Amino acid sequence: DTAVSQTPKYLVTQMGNDKSIKCEQNLGHDTMYWYKQDSKKFLKIMFSYNNKELIINETVPNRFSPKSPDKAHLNLHINSLELGDSAVYFCASSQVAGLYQETQYFGPGTRLLVL
Amino acid sequence: DQQVKQNSPSLSVQEGRISILNCDYTNSMFDYFLWYKKYPAEGPTFLISISSIKDKNEDGRFTVFLNKSAKHLSLHIVPSQPGDSAVYFCAASSETSGSRLTFGEGTQLTVNP
Repeated sequence: DTAVSQTPKYLVTQMGNDKSIKCEQNLGHDTMYWYKQDSKKFLKIMFSYNNKELIINETVPNRFSPKSPDKAHLNLHINSLELGDSAVYFCASSQVAGLYQETQYFGPGTRLLVL
Repeated sequence: DQQVKQNSPSLSVQEGRISILNCDYTNSMFDYFLWYKKYPAEGPTFLISISSIKDKNEDGRFTVFLNKSAKHLSLHIVPSQPGDSAVYFCAASSETSGSRLTFGEGTQLTVNP
């Protein structure tokens, strides 16, 4: 009964391809996030959506486009994949947007390898 | 510019002893801090948090201490258990940053039986 789930768990693809990662949460939360964990192991926020509306958009190449069809889903589409996009991507959710003392709950991660 | 730093990439402790994980931050606007635990091939799991109005928060075997003047926090695990072996991330947020969490690079804790 996973709270925050991501698919796929592993993704190996060639440079230049377009790929999507899906995220779903069954916690009834209003806010969802995408984080990237790079080779140096830092977790950095990429995007945040509150009830389908984009509220955080960090300095991320516009090849990355998040899409939220409803508040339980936040997908990440990546165009023209580059070697440097290889990383682990984590989805997270929290109950209330903009409330900085809110705990975020993470999915298991999607390990993306671009060859 | 890394605003949250965990200077020890790894820590090894004997079972039953205390584990102390440290975290330093540079942004004086941070006023809410969290610790997450992460097992391999899993996402980070929330462990404990502390607001800057407190200097200590305890939850079972886990205690977080905050020293605002030193911009330093630490996580104490007593007694340490082999199941505590994981990567521990410190994270911080501020009212001005909204729900944006800034993470440290993590410390790998190994608890030896």
